[in-house]
Amino acid sequence: DIQLTQSPAFLSASVGDRVTITCRASQGITTYSAWYQQKPGKAPKLLIYAASTLQSGVPSRFSGSGSGTEFTLTISSLQPEDFATYFCQQLYSYPRTFGQGTKVEMK
Amino acid sequence: QVQLRESGPGLVKPSETLSLTCTVSGGSISSVYWSWIRQSAGKGLEWIGRFRSSGSANYNPSLQSRVTMSMDTSKNQFFLKVTSVTAADTAVYYCAREGQWLVLDLWGQGALVTVSS
Repeated sequence: DIQLTQSPAFLSASVGDRVTITCRASQGITTYSAWYQQKPGKAPKLLIYAASTLQSGVPSRFSGSGSGTEFTLTISSLQPEDFATYFCQQLYSYPRTFGQGTKVEMK
Repeated sequence: QVQLRESGPGLVKPSETLSLTCTVSGGSISSVYWSWIRQSAGKGLEWIGRFRSSGSANYNPSLQSRVTMSMDTSKNQFFLKVTSVTAADTAVYYCAREGQWLVLDLWGQGALVTVSS
């Protein structure tokens, strides 16, 4: 199985901050990656696919980059509704796997 | 718009079979892959597998011997069965649609299943 390691596991930030989350894959996955946002008691929501393509309806302050084994999710200016947990996923091989999550908390 | 809703027993006894239904409204379940994912405190998000109406399926090898997915296109429903459950199968179970680039672009609200006697 391809292992995905996210860093950091927890992140304290303030509204307006630029936030970057990293996801490292145990082997190359080209650009077959995605990012999801999850709020407490809710299902994950797709933010980014194909490493850098913004899902329809997702604010442009979210962006993704990377290829191979390293990927990043960036929030250019953190908004109150962005405090949540973020997961990466690889779609390169079976079984599909997820990172362990990064919780973005209010400082 | 397309919506997904999971349903099924919230409590299952150890060694019995967990059965969940995902009902899709607002669109057809044909010609698309549908997935099951579960989330527990101990293991995070775990992909269980995917299935489409042609019968094509991919399962997580860690669960493959105990998992069956199926579908009733006339009812716009797809199903998950997990046999011989233990406490380790306690989780929130989600159904989701696989969209372009193989991503999970639409999710149900989730169903908590607890395995306990």
